[in-house]
Amino acid sequence: LAKTTQPISMDSYEGQEVNITCSHNNIATNDYITWYQQFPSQGPRFIIQGYKTKVTNEVASLFIPADRKSSTLSLPRVSLSDTAVYYCLVGDMRDNYGQNFVFGPGTRLSVLP
Amino acid sequence: DVKVTQSSRYLVKRTGEKVFLECVQDMDHENMFWYRQDPGLGLRLIYFSYDVKMKEKGDIPEGYSVSREKKERFSLILESASTNQTSMYLCASSSTTRTGEAFFGQGTRLTVV
Repeated sequence: LAKTTQPISMDSYEGQEVNITCSHNNIATNDYITWYQQFPSQGPRFIIQGYKTKVTNEVASLFIPADRKSSTLSLPRVSLSDTAVYYCLVGDMRDNYGQNFVFGPGTRLSVLP
Repeated sequence: DVKVTQSSRYLVKRTGEKVFLECVQDMDHENMFWYRQDPGLGLRLIYFSYDVKMKEKGDIPEGYSVSREKKERFSLILESASTNQTSMYLCASSSTTRTGEAFFGQGTRLTVV
């Protein structure tokens, strides 16, 4: 399994763009990158997934450089409700059984008024 | 919307009791998972199932068993509850065609006294 490293915590202010970077130096050819969000007392929620370059949805963007050894989750114009823990996961696309749903400690994002 | 429903939000049990945690999903997902989440340790995979009656051990299966008699239902069993099993338990499901995108329940906070 590719190990991931993220900052333990980040602070931001409302209205700012937040970028959370995840390092995964040992990412394998068949691995994809997935980000989850977790609010207190709730289960994690899927945000975005990508393999290379850039992926964007209504919630966030995911930037993946050519070497794929890192990825950056970008949250545009955060609000107080974006305060949560964000997890970066790296897993094998061929793994239909989801054995690679391994959650690290994540990044605790605090959005301040 | 995909719904993963856990039978209880809060549960208090006595040491030595047999405890059943139930999870039901309504999206016909093949894969189902049980995690526990503890402060500072993140989410840890206990067991997962990729089909009815099939199960695989995760990272911390000791003291737990599971049952999957129907596709939509995945039960976690604490054979003899102990205080070190006090934790937040999270159930998740995923489709084999959307590997990496898991849907989580709200969690069950179990306290063993």
